[in-house]
Amino acid sequence: DQQVKQNSPSLSVQEGRISILNCDYTNSMFDYFLWYKKYPAEGPTFLISISSIKDKNEDGRFTVFLNKSAKHLSLHIVPSQPGDSAVYFCAATPGNSGGSNYKLTFGKGTLLTVNP
Amino acid sequence: IAGITQAPTSQILAAGRRMTLRCTQDMRHNAMYWYRQDLGLGLRLIHYSNTAGTTGKGEVPDGYSVSRANTDDFPLTLASAVPSQTSVYFCASSLIAGGWDTQYFGPGTRLTVL
Repeated sequence: DQQVKQNSPSLSVQEGRISILNCDYTNSMFDYFLWYKKYPAEGPTFLISISSIKDKNEDGRFTVFLNKSAKHLSLHIVPSQPGDSAVYFCAATPGNSGGSNYKLTFGKGTLLTVNP
Repeated sequence: IAGITQAPTSQILAAGRRMTLRCTQDMRHNAMYWYRQDLGLGLRLIHYSNTAGTTGKGEVPDGYSVSRANTDDFPLTLASAVPSQTSVYFCASSLIAGGWDTQYFGPGTRLTVL
């Protein structure tokens, strides 16, 4: 049972345009969500996060939107740059809600390609 | 400041052999994690440690063991490797033992079991 789903394995956009990466989750106990970015032959790096008490968090060109009722979040990158080309992982955790709070559950990832 | 280091970078191993993947962090983080990344499956947690002296099982712990004798080191051992353990292994750490705290990943170890 996949609790964090990234249904688009890949996405291709033109430089300067908006990239929208989507993520759905099924576990209603999740209340903290993170996006990690991974370049080839490197470990993932943290990008941006959002708590369930918010519906939007912005950091420069990156914005994450959370729709709790739909159990859906999205990462917007505006404007997209060729250096943004990477695999993006959505991740979720129950947060500070007991013994399972240490586990971060990742989606399968979406490969973003930004074309010059 | 190195952050997290992993060794070896890559390894080809015969099935049935024992292998230990090493992970060391110099950030004095309390929590450490081992993940495997497989094509089409994303990152899956193998084992974790909330603090030195404690360990826990993740999503896919079978065939793997870990120890956390001190804060800095978190080795992952495959007692008897099988081909299905062919994967890229990432070690990570976070200051606080909680999924909400940023995890810092090492560069990974690419393991091939023949």
